[in-house]
Amino acid sequence: AQSVTQPDIHITVSEGASLELRCNYSYGATPYLFWYVQSPGQGLQLLLKYFSGDTLVQGIKGFEAEFKRSQSSFNLRKPSVHWSDAAEYFCAVGLHIKAAGNKLTFGGGTRVLVKP
Amino acid sequence: DSGVTQTPKHLITATGQRVTLRCSPRSGDLSVYWYQQSLDQGLQFLIQYYNGEERAKGNILERFSAQQFPDLHSELNLSSLELGDSALYFCASSISGRGTDTQYFGPGTRLTVL
Repeated sequence: AQSVTQPDIHITVSEGASLELRCNYSYGATPYLFWYVQSPGQGLQLLLKYFSGDTLVQGIKGFEAEFKRSQSSFNLRKPSVHWSDAAEYFCAVGLHIKAAGNKLTFGGGTRVLVKP
Repeated sequence: DSGVTQTPKHLITATGQRVTLRCSPRSGDLSVYWYQQSLDQGLQFLIQYYNGEERAKGNILERFSAQQFPDLHSELNLSSLELGDSALYFCASSISGRGTDTQYFGPGTRLTVL
């Protein structure tokens, strides 16, 4: 069964500093990979996704992620963090079984706090 | 705003009761998913429907059931509620139900069981 690990439960970063959130996955085939963000009291919003092709993926709000097959990782990065980036971030693996549906398996999340 | 609507926003009920959560997908989306977010279990997939038919099942308890109606809205029914069922329940929708789809999430229904 697929699994997703986000090793960092909390990260505190200063406004303007760079941010990197780690994600490791376990899955037998080429995974469908997603990063979602959840602001307090809100639903989840997709930041970016990777299926194939260029391993560096650009997303919304200035985020990017890099797929590294050899490390089973899909880390999220942002060069300069804004106070509005304070939120919880979830990495997810999509499993699609032909004719049998689709589901996302989420990591435990990383809560990001931004210091002024 | 994702375009996915969920009602009610909050629900407070007692143990042993039954509740129904409602979800309207984005216009044009045929697939609906239900997820549960709790402090101890994190975000867990419950069930997926595509155009009215069940497509995938996750860690959904037997006390829980769902359906998708001809107008594509979905309901999640939770019965014989226990304290541990207190959680945030998300509905998501996608256009085709394939693994490459983006799933768009609603704002969630927060269920508190007392």
